[in-house]
Amino acid sequence: DAGITQSPRHKVTETGTPVTLRCHQTENHRYMYWYRQDPGHGLRLIHYSYGVKDTDKGEVSDGYSVSRSKTEDFLLTLESATSSQTSVYFCAISEPPTGTLYNEQFFGPGTRLTVL
Amino acid sequence: AQKITQTQPGMFVQEKEAVTLDCTYDTSDPSYGLFWYKQPSSGEMIFLIYQGSYDQQNATEGRYSLNFQKARKSANLVISASQLGDSAMYFCAMREANDYKLSFGAGTTVTVRA
Repeated sequence: DAGITQSPRHKVTETGTPVTLRCHQTENHRYMYWYRQDPGHGLRLIHYSYGVKDTDKGEVSDGYSVSRSKTEDFLLTLESATSSQTSVYFCAISEPPTGTLYNEQFFGPGTRLTVL
Repeated sequence: AQKITQTQPGMFVQEKEAVTLDCTYDTSDPSYGLFWYKQPSSGEMIFLIYQGSYDQQNATEGRYSLNFQKARKSANLVISASQLGDSAMYFCAMREANDYKLSFGAGTTVTVRA
């Protein structure tokens, strides 16, 4: 199994509070991703990183920011949490493919966030 | 626009029978990859099988096979000889060339009955 951990695994917070989720990898993979999973929507990309300090937005980035100061850590921050951000958050990692379309993404265990 | 469509929210299958999970996709890129992931009730995402748009043969991995119909833009997952442990949610996903992001479908929940 790819070495990916997420912390915390569960969190309950109140509307308006800041929240930071951490993804840590031991695989030295260049690409890291944050997804949220909601019923009926599958997984949707929030932000991703293609290197240290290199990040870009995904399809549901509003209300989220990210930072990556070193290869192994990718942080997702909710500046002011809202109830609509109650979700399960997954981190994933991958290497860029070389001469092939195949690049498997390896997923972390997920963080269940509840915003009251 | 939705790139991946999974039209079956839930399915029941009898143990030892085969089940087909539908997935259609939308892309104008001739180069793309299709992935299936399994998510059991424990929550982790498990990679199952991959099909590249230029692959001539349908992908197979053990009891999993991918029925790839390029002209119809469909990539259905077939699970043969279902086991109780196959009960899970299954996601179809696609990556287009020069884009490292995966687009996921909404998922299909499979329940295997003894």
